Amino acid sequence: EAGVVQSPRYKIIEKKQPVAFWCNPISGHNTLYWYRQNLGQGPELLIRYENEEAVDDSQLPKDRFSAERLKGVDSTLKIQPAELGDSAVYLCASSPTILNEQFFGPGTRLTVL
Amino acid sequence: SQQGEEDPQALSIQEGENATMNCSYKTSINNLQWYRQNSGRGLVHLILIRSNEREKHSGRLRVTLDTSKKSSSLLITASRAADTASYFCATALQTGANNLFFGTGTRLTVIP
Repeated sequence: EAGVVQSPRYKIIEKKQPVAFWCNPISGHNTLYWYRQNLGQGPELLIRYENEEAVDDSQLPKDRFSAERLKGVDSTLKIQPAELGDSAVYLCASSPTILNEQFFGPGTRLTVL
Repeated sequence: SQQGEEDPQALSIQEGENATMNCSYKTSINNLQWYRQNSGRGLVHLILIRSNEREKHSGRLRVTLDTSKKSSSLLITASRAADTASYFCATALQTGANNLFFGTGTRLTVIP
């Protein structure tokens, strides 16, 4: 069974540029999460989807971050414009339901110069 | 602020020794999970323990949970060099959805 797929794995951009990350969850997993992990820290939740509905986006900086999960499968996370402080690893995870363990992708390491 | 806090922040042991990591949290939980993260990789789920459980085993892993002290421990027995990684505890709160709150992690180094 394929795991959670994320792309790109690495991204380097200059500040004020836009950037997008893509995630393909495990087939059949209804719940999808986006996390941000700063260096030396644990992941912090940005947004959680149940199918195509964003049910918890309270930690998403909505002035510059946006996300979508069309058709309840793949998801994209966008930052526009990026700031220096956005440099981090962005992790996508999925689970069959909200009560199960979460399966993480390899993450996208973003560097903003 | 993050819900869980691991202790110690870093741990270095010889291969074959046991490694114990602790996690403390602040509010009532539905369950607590332990994850491993190798350098530059995503997190891998190790074990989930529910609030009504006190101990759980999986291979060389043993997890305990003390809800009265709001703490958990992860024991890795007979450690191997391949166990070198960061270990995170994550709590799912009793109220609301199963959003996980991660601690800052314990960096384990197993010396061959």
